[in-house]
Amino acid sequence: ETGVTQSPTHLIKTRGQQVTLRCSSQSGHNTVSWYQQALGQGPQFIFQYYREEENGRGNFPPRFSGLQFPNYSSELNVNALELDDSALYLCASSLEFGSGGDTQYFGPGTRLTVL
Amino acid sequence: GQNIDQPTEMTATEGAIVQINCTYQTSGFNGLFWYQQHAGEAPTFLSYNVLDGLEEKGRFSSFLSRSKGYSYLLLKELQMKDSASYLCAFYTNAGKSTFGDGTTLTVKP
Repeated sequence: ETGVTQSPTHLIKTRGQQVTLRCSSQSGHNTVSWYQQALGQGPQFIFQYYREEENGRGNFPPRFSGLQFPNYSSELNVNALELDDSALYLCASSLEFGSGGDTQYFGPGTRLTVL
Repeated sequence: GQNIDQPTEMTATEGAIVQINCTYQTSGFNGLFWYQQHAGEAPTFLSYNVLDGLEEKGRFSSFLSRSKGYSYLLLKELQMKDSASYLCAFYTNAGKSTFGDGTTLTVKP
């Protein structure tokens, strides 16, 4: 148990719809990162939030957006869903990432299927 | 650009030692992590290297050479439960991370 939770566990959407995935970080963890993991591949970095501000972004289009709240929860929003968005979405929290050596704790993930 | 490579699959025998290699290219390197991921589960932290050298944690050790862009994870006294995917990932000063696609390790009796 990492103390990081995600909801929902599984989700099925249709192409063109919008989805919101939620993550609850460990208390006191100011940094949350979101990843997309397709089957058989490593996690792909979407973006990172630190103290409610985005401070790093991977190669994902603007229809992937996020929010981080003061209560250590965060959201990943994806608009205009495409079939290729089907994947496991992972969030990971850490105390003060970027200071060197801080461990990321992953949540169990949300399995999104787009039909 | 950023690039990271590791072997796709490896097989080893219970009780043996296995070394999983990882090579990377990036600017603004801030550290390299190794994670273990069992099928259908989230990655779990194994080790972190920011300086050159060997870090040992029980049966697991990780090595880093920043000048060569090279790391390895060493697993000793292999157990059946070590069968999993092993992911290496580097982090940059810009707050970005890049994961390899993972090495699937199969431990056989």
